[in-house]
Amino acid sequence: EIALTQSPGTLSLSPGERATLSCRASHSDNTNYLAWYQQKPGQPPRLLIYGASSRATGIPDRFSGSGSGTDFTLTISRLESEDFAVYYCQQYGSSARGTFGQGTKLEIK
Amino acid sequence: VQLVESGGGLVQPGTSLRLSCAASGFNFNDYAMHWVRHVPGKGLEWVSSINWNSGTITYADSVKGRFTISRDNAKNSVYLQMNSLRTEDTALYYCVKDGGAWIQLWLFDSWGQGTLVTVSS
Repeated sequence: EIALTQSPGTLSLSPGERATLSCRASHSDNTNYLAWYQQKPGQPPRLLIYGASSRATGIPDRFSGSGSGTDFTLTISRLESEDFAVYYCQQYGSSARGTFGQGTKLEIK
Repeated sequence: VQLVESGGGLVQPGTSLRLSCAASGFNFNDYAMHWVRHVPGKGLEWVSSINWNSGTITYADSVKGRFTISRDNAKNSVYLQMNSLRTEDTALYYCVKDGGAWIQLWLFDSWGQGTLVTVSS
């Protein structure tokens, strides 16, 4: 069973800065079936990135995903006020099923 | 895509509850559906999945033997029957659409607003 570890637990940044969020898998399943979700208070999660680096429909290009194997990164190039939220990574596919990381809270500094 | 959950509420430990999810805006028959829960103050936990024709059903270990997922393609609906509820089942339960047509990906591309289940004596 794959386990996902996200770091840092909390990231404090200012609008306009660059955010780098990490997700590490306990082992590789030899796919790039890695997704990122954004969740704001009182709202359901929203799919941002799938296939490690593909943006979901309607997601701004300041969001980008990268990585392979066991190490993945979500980058937000220039933070806007609406980007402050909790971010989850997820390994999907039949081997990982719905495994989520524990989340990274991105807060305003 | 619209997913509307219902059926949540406050119940005592050991009792049962049935959640429903009404789907619209996509060809429901083509997609696997999932239930994912969010414990207040904690993270997301996948609960259960059902593929497009109910031929493949899976559960998280934490609910296996207590919860039953089902779907009615004629009614564009998916259900979660929850029995022997425990305090640790308290969460916001989301109905979620799979991102793959005909093939189950466990990629959660559309979410409902959720229905709150509180298990407490």
